[in-house]
Amino acid sequence: GQSLEQPSEVTAVEGAIVQINCTYQTSGFYGLSWYQQHDGGAPTFLSYNALDGLEETGRFSSFLSRSDSYGYLLLQELQMKDSASYFCAVRDTGRRALTFGSGTRLQVQP
Amino acid sequence: EAQVTQNPRYLITVTGKKLTVTCSQNMNHEYMSWYRQDPGLGLRQIYYSMNVEVTDKGDVPEGYKVSRKEKRNFPLILESPSPNQTSLYFCASRTSGGQFFGPGTRLTVL
Repeated sequence: GQSLEQPSEVTAVEGAIVQINCTYQTSGFYGLSWYQQHDGGAPTFLSYNALDGLEETGRFSSFLSRSDSYGYLLLQELQMKDSASYFCAVRDTGRRALTFGSGTRLQVQP
Repeated sequence: EAQVTQNPRYLITVTGKKLTVTCSQNMNHEYMSWYRQDPGLGLRQIYYSMNVEVTDKGDVPEGYKVSRKEKRNFPLILESPSPNQTSLYFCASRTSGGQFFGPGTRLTVL
């Protein structure tokens, strides 16, 4: 099966940089993705890494190291609106199912 | 506008009364899936479908059924709902990399 570990909560101040880590165990790795979810809302897709390295999309970047079964989401120039839960997810090559981590609640303070 | 729609958004029902939650996407995606979200447990995949007439179990399929007769629709069926199926349900469809989520259905089974 699959399992993912990510911190339950992170606090940072406006304008700062925060990194949310995700380690995973999976029988067949197909890619690591990240989602953002505001309270009361639906998850929204942020980024996807299938290969090692850094993917940048505006203020958000995502990194993957397949040899370490590890990835992270980097949020720069934090804004109050970035306060949300962030989930990493892995896809299994065998079952094609998607498994999510339990989420990291990011609180951005003024 | 590209979107995933779900109905109903809110539902209160009683144990044993069959119900269906509809899901529709207008992006011509082949892959669709259903998740439930519970506090502290994150998002867990119930069922997914790779294409019309092709469905498979996710991590928590017990007590649920799905069907995929058309590419755009992927209803979730609870034949005999029980209180432990009280949850927030999300439907999603996927292109390469990321999933688009519907707005969610909050189900309460009394």
